[in-house]
Amino acid sequence: GENVEQHPSTLSVQEGDSAVIKCTYSDSASNYFPWYKQELGKRPQLIIDIRSNVGEKKDQRIAVTLNKTAKHFSLHITETQPEDSAVYFCAASKDFNKFYFGSGTKLNVKP
Amino acid sequence: DTAVSQTPKYLVTQMGNDKSIKCEQNLGHDTMYWYKQDSKKFLKIMFSYNNKELIINETVPNRFSPKSPDKAHLNLHINSLELGDSAVYFCASSQRQHGYTFGSGTRLTVV
Repeated sequence: GENVEQHPSTLSVQEGDSAVIKCTYSDSASNYFPWYKQELGKRPQLIIDIRSNVGEKKDQRIAVTLNKTAKHFSLHITETQPEDSAVYFCAASKDFNKFYFGSGTKLNVKP
Repeated sequence: DTAVSQTPKYLVTQMGNDKSIKCEQNLGHDTMYWYKQDSKKFLKIMFSYNNKELIINETVPNRFSPKSPDKAHLNLHINSLELGDSAVYFCASSQRQHGYTFGSGTRLTVV
């Protein structure tokens, strides 16, 4: 089955700086890569996703890049704000069936 | 209206008991899931149903039994609860070509 690895496990940045979270996957057939944000005590929520026919996608301060050859994808958050503090999960899926999640990155944005 | 709702939100019970968690979605999605999030925040799929039919059954003890009376509901029954079952259980639903919508989670504590 698919194996998704996520780094770093914790990330601390100063408000206004950028944050980058990286994931690798093992199954070259995976074609859908969502990112979820989970605030403390709340449900994971989809923040951005990318499909395998696209190399980059941006939504305001959030962007995701995908390198199919290297089998890795990354989440980029620019101009971080304290409300960006949360646990972020990457995931990989083939044809929107089972999602395999990374182990999560706890992002702390210091004011 | 809550898109994916789970009950109860908190469940504290003794070892050996049997308990159920209920999930309902009003999004018209075809597929529903149960995920377990352990103390290290790792999200692991347990089951998936598509139009009331079981399509994913991961390596989960057979003390866990899902039931889907219709495509809007997916319940999880757990027999003979053990300490290691303590976790947050998330229900989720999806439609093809889109990511998951998660429920708010059920925090199960076995004492």
